[in-house]
Amino acid sequence: AQSVTQLDSQVPVFEEAPVELRCNYSSSVSVYLFWYVQYPNQGLQLLLKYLSGSTLVKSINGFEAEFNKSQTSFHLRKPSVHISDTAEYFCAVRGGSQGNLIFGKGTKLSVKP
Amino acid sequence: ETGVTQSPTHLIKTRGQQVTLRCSSQSGHNTVSWYQQALGQGPQFIFQYYREEENGRGNFPPRFSGLQFPNYSSELNVNALELDDSALYLCASSSTNQETQYFGPGTRLLVL
Repeated sequence: AQSVTQLDSQVPVFEEAPVELRCNYSSSVSVYLFWYVQYPNQGLQLLLKYLSGSTLVKSINGFEAEFNKSQTSFHLRKPSVHISDTAEYFCAVRGGSQGNLIFGKGTKLSVKP
Repeated sequence: ETGVTQSPTHLIKTRGQQVTLRCSSQSGHNTVSWYQQALGQGPQFIFQYYREEENGRGNFPPRFSGLQFPNYSSELNVNALELDDSALYLCASSSTNQETQYFGPGTRLLVL
């Protein structure tokens, strides 16, 4: 069965510092990988995705993630975070015959001034 | 192009009652998936509807049921509510290739 592990439940960081949110997955088939962001009391917003092609994918607000097949990882990085990046981040893999998403437990990113 | 919408935004029910949650899919999307997100957890897949038929189900009991209508909107029904059903219920829509799912803002259900 496919699964997703987010290694850090909380990541505190100072503004303008770099950050990495770690995600590992298990899958025996081709993978589609996603990062979603959830701001307080809101739904999930798609941040970026890997479907195929270049292993480095980027979002419009400066986040990037790299698909690493050998390490079964899809870590999310940003070189300089802002207060507005404070949110919970979920890594997901498309799994199951119906293409449902399997989520990790989430990582709460807290950016401090 | 409108995004995924859900109603109501919040709901309070008591144990044993029944609840219906609603979702309108994004324009052009024919597949709707429902997820339950308990406090402090990632979303868990409940079921998916494609062209008005249930197309897959997660590990949820039969008292969780759904419908999809010809306009691709959907309902999630939960009977005999239990305290553990308290959660954020998320609806996501996608197109036929199902590569990317787009989520609505969710309905927060509290069962007392």
